[in-house]
Formats: sequence, C-alpha cells, structure tokens
Amino acid sequence: SAVISQKPSRDICQRGTSLTIQCQVDSQVTMMFWYRQQPGQSLTLIATANQGSEATYESGFVIDKFPISRPNLTFSTLTVSNMSPEDSSIYLCSVGSGPNSPLHFGNGTRLTVT
Amino acid sequence: TQLLEQSPQFLSIQEGENLTVYCNSSSVFSSLQWYRQEPGEGPVLLVTVVTGGEVKKLKRLTFQFGDARKDSSLHITAAQPGDTGLYLCAGWVTDKLIFGTGTRLQVFP
Repeated sequence: SAVISQKPSRDICQRGTSLTIQCQVDSQVTMMFWYRQQPGQSLTLIATANQGSEATYESGFVIDKFPISRPNLTFSTLTVSNMSPEDSSIYLCSVGSGPNSPLHFGNGTRLTVT
Repeated sequence: TQLLEQSPQFLSIQEGENLTVYCNSSSVFSSLQWYRQEPGEGPVLLVTVVTGGEVKKLKRLTFQFGDARKDSSLHITAAQPGDTGLYLCAGWVTDKLIFGTGTRLQVFP
C-alpha cells in the first residue's frame, strides 16, 4: 500500500494566519482527498484534490478558505486560510486507487489555533 | 443529516467482554468498509463487505453486511485492551468515501 507523508504533524497558529499542509505519496495515485476530524468526532470530507485542475469541494467548504493544489499524481497541499479557533482540528490526507477501493491515510496534521 | 449512523457512540468495557457496533443507513451501498483509528494515526482499513448478508471474520472480529446492503455490524469477541480505538464504518458515494459517525471503544484490563 502507498506510504503517505504529511507535514507538519502538528502546529500551533495564531488566528488570522494561514497554514499549508503538505501530503507526499511514495507512488502515483488516482485519488487524493482531504478530510477534517474535529476533536472527538468522525471524519468529514473537505474536498477531492484533482490533478492539474481545481479541487472539488464538499458542502460547507470553500476554495477561499481551503485552497488545495495537486500539481502531480504524488503530491497535494491544503491551506487553511485566515484561521480562527474553530479551525482547530486534525487534517488528514488520504489516497485511493478508485471508487470502492480502500483509502490509505497519512497520520494527519493536528492544528491548534489560538 | 448523517448518511451513516453508528451506535453506540461510546463503549467502555472490561477485557474479555463481547460487544457489537452497528452502522445504519437509509441508503443502499455497493459495499461498506470498516476502519480503526488509534490516537495520532490515520484510520486503517479492517475489512470491506460487498455482498448482502456477507459475514467476514478477522480473528476475534466478525463483520456482517445487511441483506439489503443498508447496514453493517462489527462484533468483537473477548475484547482486549489492544482493541481500544475509534471504529468507523464508511461507504462510497459515487467517487468519494463518506464516514459514519464513529464508535469510540475503550477496553480496560
């Protein structure tokens, strides 16, 4: 299975600033997704990262707040912009080979906004 | 409205006890997956169930897919502290994986 490296693993940021999270995969993958996991909660899909084109965002998430890049089949970034304490969460990158396939996850980025 | 509802939300038991976690939906899924997540890590796939009525066993864990493919259950026999974690069911909706509400299991020695 794919090995996924996510950076940073954790960060503490001040409100109003932005943080970019990187996701590097050791092999080319078809699908890449970004999820958010609020404290004590399940995973919520933020967006599908599309290679070479704009990401597909889920209801409640917008590009201005969570810009995503995916320049190739092994790398993606998620930026959390103009942060507020409500953005404090774990952000997870995941990859898959196609619909109905298993997803493989990075270890996540634990973000705390003060 | 959450597409996949899990129950119970929390479960705290003693080592050796049995337990069942339920995953329910009003929608039909072509398959359902179960993941376990431990602190500081991403979820890891335990099993995929595909056929209605299917039963899969993974050591002490037994997974069942409902006949109508709208629900699934996870049964753990003789739970151990190593089973502690967040259990998540998940289903594909077109080209994205949606997770259930989650069940947090704590097994005490």
